[in-house]
Amino acid sequence: AQSVTQPDIHITVSEGASLELRCNYSYGATPYLFWYVQSPGQGLQLLLKYFSGDTLVQGIKGFEAEFKRSQSSFNLRKPSVHWSDAAEYFCAVGAPSGTYKYIFGTGTRLKVLA
Amino acid sequence: DTGVSQNPRHKITKRGQNVTFRCDPISEHNRLYWYRQTLGQGPEFLTYFQNEAQLEKSRLLSDRFSAERPKGSFSTLEIQRTEQGDSAMYLCASSRRGRGSSYEQYFGPGTRLTVT
Repeated sequence: AQSVTQPDIHITVSEGASLELRCNYSYGATPYLFWYVQSPGQGLQLLLKYFSGDTLVQGIKGFEAEFKRSQSSFNLRKPSVHWSDAAEYFCAVGAPSGTYKYIFGTGTRLKVLA
Repeated sequence: DTGVSQNPRHKITKRGQNVTFRCDPISEHNRLYWYRQTLGQGPEFLTYFQNEAQLEKSRLLSDRFSAERPKGSFSTLEIQRTEQGDSAMYLCASSRRGRGSSYEQYFGPGTRLTVT
């Protein structure tokens, strides 16, 4: 079955520290991969995406993610976290054909300590 | 590009009542999606439109739910005889037709439904 796993429900980091959020997926073929961020009461904002090519992708707000086919992973990283990064982060896989619908993980809530 | 808009942003209703939500996608986007997000969970796919045609419905979309997209522009999601389990955030997203960079979905702010 197709699925996305975000093993960390909550993560707390100090401001200025590095961050890595994990995402593993199960999919028959190589899907399209996305990271979205959701602030309280808000919709989802796209941070970055992977379709093909270079496995290290850069996104907005200083985020990057690396696609590792052998590990079925697409982990999100940021070298130095800002207090404004506190939010919920969702990894999603998209069907590469047909409806292109997304399957989301359950999310990781990030707390940033001043 | 004014983004995806959804109305209302919040809806409180009593169990058994009908509710209708509206989504206005980005104007040149022909694909439109509805997702449902419950507390502590990621969004779950409900249904998909390409232009005015509803091409896929999730098993989550019971008979009490109906969605339309007349003329391939805005979409409505109606829930009849609401139940407390329908309480959730309902998200709408749209995307362009095509592959690659035109594939990503843009999300609206959502409609939060509370059934009392």
